[in-house]
Amino acid sequence: SAVISQKPSRDICQRGTSLTIQCQVDSQVTMMFWYRQQPGQSLTLIATANQGSEATYESGFVIDKFPISRPNLTFSTLTVSNMSPEDSSIYLCSVTSETGDNQPQHFGDGTRLSIL
Amino acid sequence: QKEVEQDPGPLSVPEGAIVSLNCTYSNSAFQYFMWYRQYSRKGPELLMYTYSSGNKEDGRFTAQVDKSSKYISLFIRDSQPSDSATYLCAMARGSTLGRLYFGRGTQLTVWP
Repeated sequence: SAVISQKPSRDICQRGTSLTIQCQVDSQVTMMFWYRQQPGQSLTLIATANQGSEATYESGFVIDKFPISRPNLTFSTLTVSNMSPEDSSIYLCSVTSETGDNQPQHFGDGTRLSIL
Repeated sequence: QKEVEQDPGPLSVPEGAIVSLNCTYSNSAFQYFMWYRQYSRKGPELLMYTYSSGNKEDGRFTAQVDKSSKYISLFIRDSQPSDSATYLCAMARGSTLGRLYFGRGTQLTVWP
């Protein structure tokens, strides 16, 4: 499967600031997704990053808070804007790398974000 | 009611034990079922991937899906300390190219 690299791996930020997380894949992939993993809770899909068009957001997540870019088939960014302590979480990028329908998703190691 | 329920544990077993991990779900539209393993400070790693009902075996791991009961299981035979991790079940509807629905994960410790 594809090798997925996320940067930064962790960060501590001040409230009110913004952080951009990068997801780089070593091969072209069909789909890229961004998830949030809060302590004691299940992984929750934030949005699907669409190449060349606006991301598709899940209920409860908005573009102003989590702007996403996907300029090509191997790279995407997620920005967490105007951060508050409630945004402290692990943010994960996932991809489907194989061609064809119904392929499973593979995950990067995540970005551990703490907001002070 | 959450769409996917998973007992978070923790579950602690001796080396060599058979481990049973389970999830229940409420949405009968789910057709694709996955188990991921997540080590501390790492991302989820795909372990097993099954479609519809039935069993799938891969080495020491067996995944079972019972759609009539809306119940899935992961069995680990001859468990090893290296199996200590959090195990996440995940499900999808018509296509895994779309949204995955995850359980909360079960934390497993296998002690030598």
